[in-house]
Amino acid sequence: GQNIDQPTEMTATEGAIVQINCTYQTSGFNGLFWYQQHAGEAPTFLSYNVLDGLEEKGRFSSFLSRSKGYSYLLLKELQMKDSASYLCVVTGGGNKLTFGTGTQLKVEL
Amino acid sequence: GAGVSQSPSNKVTEKGKDVELRCDPISGHTALYWYRQRLGQGLEFLIYFQGNSAPDKSGLPSDRFSAERTGESVSTLTIQRTQQEDSAVYLCASSPDRVVNIQYFGAGTRLSVL
Repeated sequence: GQNIDQPTEMTATEGAIVQINCTYQTSGFNGLFWYQQHAGEAPTFLSYNVLDGLEEKGRFSSFLSRSKGYSYLLLKELQMKDSASYLCVVTGGGNKLTFGTGTQLKVEL
Repeated sequence: GAGVSQSPSNKVTEKGKDVELRCDPISGHTALYWYRQRLGQGLEFLIYFQGNSAPDKSGLPSDRFSAERTGESVSTLTIQRTQQEDSAVYLCASSPDRVVNIQYFGAGTRLSVL
């Protein structure tokens, strides 16, 4: 089976940096995704990691350590529009994705 | 089309009735997924179609749930004898590549069972 753990909610200040952690236990591993989901909207793709290390894309970066079953999403220069749920998603065998319950990020002034 | 299209966007039904939810994936995407998201909760995998392979139905919660897909196009999720616990947003996603399966989601169908 697959299990994904991430904090339920976090609060950060506009302009700051926030790190959202994700740990997983899986029977197979073919990659890890981060998705963003605003309230009432569909999830949208942010990043994909399959090898260890850091992937940077603008204000967002994602890190993966396969040996530790650990990933984080780093958001820099936070903006109010970054308030959303951030979903850690693991691809196991057969291309089936398992979604974490998401971390609700609230950005405050 | 430009994106994944789902219809209806909202559906209100009475307990015990059957409902059909439709998903039009992005043209050319071979993989199609259905998920359920209850209020305030994470996405729950339901079913996965990949090309002409047999679908992965391991996430369907009961035999009241079924899904069909015509080739690599439209999919329909059917819920028979709906129960109040079926109330949720049903999301469809499609993916173009089975190696790196980035999923593109539709806006979902919000189902309310009274």
